[in-house]
This record gives sequence, C-alpha cells and structure tokens, in this order.
Amino acid sequence: DTEVTQTPKHLVMGMTNKKSLKCEQHMGHRAMYWYKQKAKKPPELMFVYSYEKLSINESVPSRFSPECPNSSLLNLHLHALQPEDSALYLCASSIRPGLTHTDTQYFGPGTRLTVL
Amino acid sequence: EDKVVQSPLSLVVHEGDTVTLNCSYEVTNFRSLLWYKQEKKAPTFLFMLTSSGIEKKSGRLSSILDKKELFSILNITATQTGDSAVYLCAVARILNTGNQFYFGTGTSLTVIP
Repeated sequence: DTEVTQTPKHLVMGMTNKKSLKCEQHMGHRAMYWYKQKAKKPPELMFVYSYEKLSINESVPSRFSPECPNSSLLNLHLHALQPEDSALYLCASSIRPGLTHTDTQYFGPGTRLTVL
Repeated sequence: EDKVVQSPLSLVVHEGDTVTLNCSYEVTNFRSLLWYKQEKKAPTFLFMLTSSGIEKKSGRLSSILDKKELFSILNITATQTGDSAVYLCAVARILNTGNQFYFGTGTSLTVIP
C-alpha cells in the first residue's frame, strides 16, 4: 500500500468558519508534510512533522494549525482564513527523516479549498 | 538563497518528438533531486537521483544528475499525448530535523497529436 489519502477532496468555507483537513498513510512513514499549491505554481512547503513532532514551520500564519496525533495521521486545522488562502492543499509522507537515509515523498490527492 | 530553476517554463511538441527538460539548483546541504509529473491532481513520483552521472530510466523517460554543475535533465523520447503534464523538479536538503524539499516552478509540456 503506497497510498496517502486526504479528506475532504473539496472544501468551501467562509472566513469565520473553523474546518480541518485530514491526511492518512499506513506505510509506516515517519515524516509527513503539508504543502500549499496555487494554480500554475509549484507546491510550497508549509509544515514538516518528523516522528510526530513539528520540525519545520515555514513561517505559516497562525490561522493554519497543524496537528499530528499519531504516526499515521496528520491534520491541518483552519480558522479565520482569507480568500487568498484558496488553493490545493497537499499532504505528503516519506519513509524516515534523518541524515543517513535518502527517501522519496509520496503525495496525497490534495484538498481543493475555496475560501469565500 | 536556496533556489531551484526549471527550463523551459513551457513546451509544445508533436507526438513522437523527444524533449529535454532542465533543472538547475543552488541548495545548501543537498541530499537528492526528485522529478515528479503533475497532471490535474497530486504530483506523482518519477525519479530520485543522488549520484552524479548515473542515468535512471523508466520506459521512455530517463534522467541524470550532474552534482558538479548542479543540474539535472529529464528526457522523454517518442512523446505521447499522455505525457502532457507539468513536470516538477524538487531538491531535498538535509537538516538536523529531517529533509526539506524545494520545488522548481515546473515545466508545462503539451504534446499535440
């Protein structure tokens, strides 16, 4: 099973709503990532979790709040978003973070978020 | 400043043509370079390159890395309409906490029948 799943596939929310994006993998990967991708642009890294701990936060606004409850699950909690936050949100995982192992990222299908 | 630059930005070819996509990088603590194909949804993995001069091949696609000149190329021979996509290059750099990935802007390939 080399699959990363994401729910929901599409989400429309108002600027005052609170919602969450979910990402799951059962490949035993210990690094998980959130990316944001705008149309015709490459993915931009938002957060990296290594062994369920937040290891990288790329100066993302606090209205995005990541959570990694266990090694298989990664959430992104959304609150008071702006219309410019509308994008495709991609989750990815890779085998193992660390200095001695090269690894490959596997991407989920993404959640298409629209903020009204 | 770390950066990954891809060229050309877009390319239109006819079926059967051969194309070469370029990726150059300036990234500290380089670990590996990855190529992805992105159609309408998530990027799908093509190749990971860590050593210079060793060609990776999968069907009509092949890729090679030059760590001295800091670039990689992706070749697609006998192109088909199904090859139409955005091809993304990403570079992984080593941090104490794990890998960090930088993506290039992508090359949009359109293959005309």
